[in-house]
Amino acid sequence: DSGVTQTPKHLITATGQRVTLRCSPRSGDLSVYWYQQSLDQGLQFLIQYYNGEERAKGNILERFSAQQFPDLHSELNLSSLELGDSALYFCASSVEMSGLYGYTFGSGTRLTVV
Amino acid sequence: AQKITQTQPGMFVQEKEAVTLDCTYDTSDQSYGLFWYKQPSSGEMIFLIYQGSYDEQNATEGRYSLNFQKARKSANLVISASQLGDSAMYFCAMREGRVGAGSYQLTFGKGTKLSVIP
Repeated sequence: DSGVTQTPKHLITATGQRVTLRCSPRSGDLSVYWYQQSLDQGLQFLIQYYNGEERAKGNILERFSAQQFPDLHSELNLSSLELGDSALYFCASSVEMSGLYGYTFGSGTRLTVV
Repeated sequence: AQKITQTQPGMFVQEKEAVTLDCTYDTSDQSYGLFWYKQPSSGEMIFLIYQGSYDEQNATEGRYSLNFQKARKSANLVISASQLGDSAMYFCAMREGRVGAGSYQLTFGKGTKLSVIP
């Protein structure tokens, strides 16, 4: 157990639907990162939060949004889902903003859009 | 241009032999970090080893070592005494940016699938 908890582990939903992926960072970590892993794009950075504030955005679609709550857990919301959104979504956390002390990944949420 | 290049989509190694997985990177930053992660078929990302750009010694963690050649911008992972449980995808990743720049996400390579043969 890495200490980063992602729920659910698996999610199957239909096109056009909306889902929420949840991430609880490792105890003491203030920064949360979301990554998408798909067969064609590989591992891509989506967004980073630090202590409740958005710090960086990567290749995140406008249909996707995220937030980090006061208890530091984070949610990634995916809406108007398309078949191409099927992927493994990882959350990672780090103690501070720079990742200087490394990143801990959760086990991922496997999203299948049918 | 790709920031992280892993040129070996797949590799085979005999059990108990050593294997080197290649990684080259591209950055104009002086301060950066290089990471290797293992992803078994179950899907989780497992941290293996880290090398900072200012570290003079090559990093080692048990059976894993990182062959860091800064001038060539390469950070190859060496796994000694391969085990069946080493069969997995291996990803090289880079963190760029000076402290204070605000953005420190990892950029990943496409990965190398390692298969250990009994």
